[in-house]
Amino acid sequence: KNEVEQSPQNLTAQEGEFITINCSYSVGISALHWLQQHPGGGIVSLFMLSSGKKKHGRLIATINIQEKHSSLHITASHPRDSAVYICAVRSSGGEKLTFGTGTRLTIIP
Amino acid sequence: GAVVSQHPSWVICKSGTSVKIECRSLDFQATTMFWYRQFPKQSLMLMATSNEGSKATYEQGVEKDKFLINHASLTLSTLTVTSAHPEDSSFYICSASEWGPNQPQHFGDGTRLSIL
Repeated sequence: KNEVEQSPQNLTAQEGEFITINCSYSVGISALHWLQQHPGGGIVSLFMLSSGKKKHGRLIATINIQEKHSSLHITASHPRDSAVYICAVRSSGGEKLTFGTGTRLTIIP
Repeated sequence: GAVVSQHPSWVICKSGTSVKIECRSLDFQATTMFWYRQFPKQSLMLMATSNEGSKATYEQGVEKDKFLINHASLTLSTLTVTSAHPEDSSFYICSASEWGPNQPQHFGDGTRLSIL
């Protein structure tokens, strides 16, 4: 079993739909990252969080430390949101990231 | 802020050639840099961690003599793929973080390497 599990692996939705991507992990962590990888390969860090909830524009990230679970939500989705979204965790006391396998999101106009 | 520039963005070369990839932090001091490799439709795999002025720490299974990492300054790390072969073709991406606890990693745009 992977230390970081994401679901779903693939998600196709219509423009405007509310999107949720889930991440579960099995180790103690100091921080969790949500990353966005575009088709060209470049990676953008969306959020780093260790508790609670963060919001940036149409993106919302939440984390429940007790349940070892995080969600990334996208409101009013748009075709330009189409990308691979990756959850990554940094274990307590470490500096390395452990990555989930990613969720490929496609938003259809 | 927190921009990481990676160069080149893509390279095609013949088998046996050595290829150098640069990773620069443009607006912060990168105490630690990470080098990753990614195969198509797979997640990032950490190859090595480098701290400025120190030897890189390689992950298990990564050949030190094959993938030479230098982190001589707080803004530049290089990865050299020596005597590259077709099986080294992959997407290589670096990230950098500042000194201190719980610092985020900032990623470069990656380098697509194709060895003919």
